[in-house]
Order: sequence, then structure tokens, then C-alpha cells
Amino acid sequence: GAGVSQSPSNKVTEKGKDVELRCDPISGHTALYWYRQSLGQGLEFLIYFQGNSAPDKSGLPSDRFSAERTGGSVSTLTIQRTQQEDSAVYLCASSPDGGSAGELFFGEGSRLTVL
Amino acid sequence: TQLLEQSPQFLSIQEGENLTVYCNSSSVFSSLQWYRQEPGEGPVLLVTVVTGGEVKKLKRLTFQFGDARKDSSLHITAAQTGDTGLYLCAGARYGTSYDKVIFGPGTSLSVIP
Repeated sequence: GAGVSQSPSNKVTEKGKDVELRCDPISGHTALYWYRQSLGQGLEFLIYFQGNSAPDKSGLPSDRFSAERTGGSVSTLTIQRTQQEDSAVYLCASSPDGGSAGELFFGEGSRLTVL
Repeated sequence: TQLLEQSPQFLSIQEGENLTVYCNSSSVFSSLQWYRQEPGEGPVLLVTVVTGGEVKKLKRLTFQFGDARKDSSLHITAAQTGDTGLYLCAGARYGTSYDKVIFGPGTSLSVIP
């Protein structure tokens, strides 16, 4: 597709289970970002990839959170042993190499609900 | 610590009114962006401002970047119901080694018919 694609769009899980969230960036975009957004709030930075490398993982809330990117394309955000406070919308964005910093193209997000 | 602050947090106005929302920081930014987000969707880029003092217009929306590149404002003239949404400012801090883009907490705008 032409835009950033995220899956699943909705995920309901039980506390303690692991979840994987997937992001397919726009083809050719080298930078990829993950953000978390709680209801009605701004975006909390989680992690940034340039190619397959993550220069800054400091936004990840705990060691239960991890992310990887393969082939300079698809990225997966994994949350282990989910907790209720992990409930939020997880947004992925990409931007092209050479584009202006901050000009991001977002997916529609994955809404995670932890019961 | 919120590197980017926005005010007001909530704004409810009648259709046809004018409004201004603000984005402030103590840090210098190489550029600032404004996004609009509607429920159930990701943010959509409206504009980028780069030069201190820059003013950009997008139909009824006017964006300004502060001279010191630490703040920005968004002015909407004759608001319409379609302007309803969450307005987010964002930026990459000047001098960072990579493009870590941070967002403000947003201004939730409701335009009442």
C-alpha cells in the first residue's frame, strides 16, 4: 500500500500475555518511529530506527518492551508480560531519508487493551 | 519533563470564531511541525516551519515560528466544524545527533456548529 500499515488495528489481551505489534512503513523510508498515545494525550516517544539500527532506545518504558526492524523495512514492537498500564494506542511513523526532520507519516495505530 | 508545552489544553468555540493555540519550549528546535489528529486515526502533517520568524499560511490556518526557534503558534480564522481535532506540535531538537522527534501534549479543539 501507499501508506504506513499497522497490524493488528485492535488487540485485547489478558494481563501477563505477550503481544506483537507490526508496522509496515512506506516503501523506501529509512527512518521509522514508534510512539505510544494514551487516551486524549500527546505522543510518547518509544524508539527510533535508522535502517535496522536503533540509535536511541531510551523511550522504551521498561525491559518488557523491545523492538526490531529487519531489511530496513518491517518493524515489530513486542511487549512481554503485559500490564494494564500498557493499554494505549501504539503509533508507527516513517520518514524518508533526506526529508525534513519531524515530517512523519503515521499509520492508524494499534489499539492495545490489557484486561 | 515536557520539552514541548501546548496551550490551551482544551478549546471549545463556535463556528466562525477565530482562535490561536501555542507551542512553547525552553529548547531550540531546528524545525517545528504541526499535526492534526482525528479520532481513530494517526496524526497528519499540516506544516513545517524552519526559519526563525517564519510565517506560513494554509488556507484559513496561519503558522508562525518564533524568532528564537523555541516556540510556535497556530491561528485559525473563521473556524469550521471540520477543524475539530487534536492539534499537536512536534520537533527535532537542534543539535541532536539524530532526528529524535518529540511531540507536545496537544490542544483538543472542538468547533460547535
